[in-house]
Amino acid sequence: DQQVKQNSPSLSVQEGRISILNCDYTNSMFDYFLWYKKYPAEGPTFLISISSIKDKNEDGRFTVFLNKSAKHLSLHIVPSQPGDSAVYFCAASAGSNDYKLSFGAGTTVTVRA
Amino acid sequence: EAGVAQSPRYKIIEKRQSVAFWCNPISGHATLYWYQQILGQGPKLLIQFQNNGVVDDSQLPKDRFSAERLKGVDSTLKIQPAKLEDSAVYLCASSFGRADTQYFGPGTRLTVL
Repeated sequence: DQQVKQNSPSLSVQEGRISILNCDYTNSMFDYFLWYKKYPAEGPTFLISISSIKDKNEDGRFTVFLNKSAKHLSLHIVPSQPGDSAVYFCAASAGSNDYKLSFGAGTTVTVRA
Repeated sequence: EAGVAQSPRYKIIEKRQSVAFWCNPISGHATLYWYQQILGQGPKLLIQFQNNGVVDDSQLPKDRFSAERLKGVDSTLKIQPAKLEDSAVYLCASSFGRADTQYFGPGTRLTVL
């Protein structure tokens, strides 16, 4: 039973343009959401997070938007750079005291020069 | 600061053999996680430790998988006997506390033939 879904397995974007990655969840108990980035042969690294009390969080080129009513979040990368080519995982947890993460299947982003 | 260390990086075994993975978390991190990532899927939590105690092992196939974290630092994950469907990347992660950012190691890629 997959509670976090990333329906786009891949995304190709031109350098300098915006990358938009989408994530949907089904568990209404989720209240903390994260994005992780993964390069080949490395473990995932934390990118950005958002609490359910917010609808937007920004960190440099990365912005995460949360729509609780739609159970949907998105990650915007502006502008996209070649180093952003990686797999991006959406993750969620329920409860602010214990981050047991449920992950989506990931979206592979390729930034074209 | 040294990251999460895992060994071996790669392991190939025959089905019904046993295998063990080792993880050394970031110094001072009390919480340690083992995840299983099957090709094309996101990481799935197998077990969570807080110091040397198990917090959650609800998704660990206990008939063949076991894990321990003696002295609350290093951890080992064992599979005995292995099945073909155990082929995956096994990721170890650690965090300062149960509600803190998780840092992942590079993973061990297991192939069961």
